Amino acid sequence: DAKTTQPNSMESNEEEPVHLPCNHSTISGTDYIHWYRQLPSQGPEYVIHGLTSNVNNRMASLAIAEDRKSSTLILHRATLRDAAVYYCILRAGFSGGGADGLTFGKGTHLIIQP
Amino acid sequence: KAGVTQTPRYLIKTRGQQVTLSCSPISGHRSVSWYQQTPGQGLQFLFEYFSETQRNKGNFPGRFSGRQFSNSRSEMNVSTLELGDSALYLCASNLPGNDYNEQFFGPGTRLTVL
Repeated sequence: DAKTTQPNSMESNEEEPVHLPCNHSTISGTDYIHWYRQLPSQGPEYVIHGLTSNVNNRMASLAIAEDRKSSTLILHRATLRDAAVYYCILRAGFSGGGADGLTFGKGTHLIIQP
Repeated sequence: KAGVTQTPRYLIKTRGQQVTLSCSPISGHRSVSWYQQTPGQGLQFLFEYFSETQRNKGNFPGRFSGRQFSNSRSEMNVSTLELGDSALYLCASNLPGNDYNEQFFGPGTRLTVL
């Protein structure tokens, strides 16, 4: 899997938007961009994924650069519950096949101030 | 729908012993993956099983093994435990066949080797 680069930590205030960046300059044309987060004392949980277009779901939005070499996870209104480590992961796209293991980096430790 | 369950949640063993951890995937999920999480190495992929067959394996020694049963439940075994095997062991399940293979993680088993 191609490598991703994320800041070690970020801090934000509660009820404000948070923009978490991820660089993936060696992304291939078939790589999907996935985001997972890990809350304290829990297993990781899926947040969102995308290929080329920006994506929205109930948890967050994903903005993907036109050249796909970077992306940004957007939490529109952070709460204390959003404090977690956020992982940006590239996954080769395929259908009908098996699950290759996720390659986790160090992620970004998001701190939310009340 | 019940999530991924792992047993036991906590385990203490001594060096040289062996340990077996269990994972029950979400009903209907046929793929199970195992990960090791340590403060130093982060989250690392161990192996993945689908239909009772190991399809993918990470870079871990042969002391780490696993299996999957016909009901998709999975076990992983670590023999001749070393201090460095102390970690959180996470299991994840997913429905293979879609393009992004979102993985659903369990809460993990915390293994301490003394």
